Amino acid sequence: EPEVTQTPSHQVTQMGQEVILRCVPISNHLYFYWYRQILGQKVEFLVSFYNNEISEKSEIFDDQFSVERPDGSNFTLKIRSTKLEDSAMYFCASNWAGGDEAFFGQGTRLTVV
Amino acid sequence: AQSVAQPEDQVNVAEGNPLTVKCTYSVSGNPYLFWYVQYPNRGLQFLLKYITGDNLVKGSYGFEAEFNKSQTSFHLKKPSALVSDSALYFCAVRDMDSNYQLIWGAGTKLIIKP
Repeated sequence: EPEVTQTPSHQVTQMGQEVILRCVPISNHLYFYWYRQILGQKVEFLVSFYNNEISEKSEIFDDQFSVERPDGSNFTLKIRSTKLEDSAMYFCASNWAGGDEAFFGQGTRLTVV
Repeated sequence: AQSVAQPEDQVNVAEGNPLTVKCTYSVSGNPYLFWYVQYPNRGLQFLLKYITGDNLVKGSYGFEAEFNKSQTSFHLKKPSALVSDSALYFCAVRDMDSNYQLIWGAGTKLIIKP
């Protein structure tokens, strides 16, 4: 069964460093998403991506965040200068059509120290 | 504003008994409603969805959910709980008239006791 894969599963980084979280969505999907879940809090939408451009983004997704689909298979989230409050589980998701159920990866736990 | 409420942080059910996990929503347009389950150290797994049609939808692992437009609710149910159903359950809504992002409830921890 096709699945969304995310790497790494856990990343520890120092405050101020750049991190790139990687995702391989399901191959025939067209819509891609990043969500995050701070420990003990709700899952929050960050950004959606369609047709090689951002289609929606939340207030959380400020200038320190960027997304890219560099090679037609990977979908990356870059955080330019990490802050302590960026520590969270980051989930990548994809779907065929925007209204369909999204399939989620297992997440990357980012710890900023 | 769009929102989802899961009023119970935790639900405890004895194995074999029916279970209900509650969800209410608020959207300005037509809702697409979803339930996801999260097992420890795992991602979010899709359980079921309501888009249109029958108000009672059936999903994975014997779960079902009932869409009630007048009460703006989408409660998750299962007739007979299993210990293996113990997990964190999330309700989510998408406002199809405005965007594709999912708005999430806070999650309900379901504990099934043998």
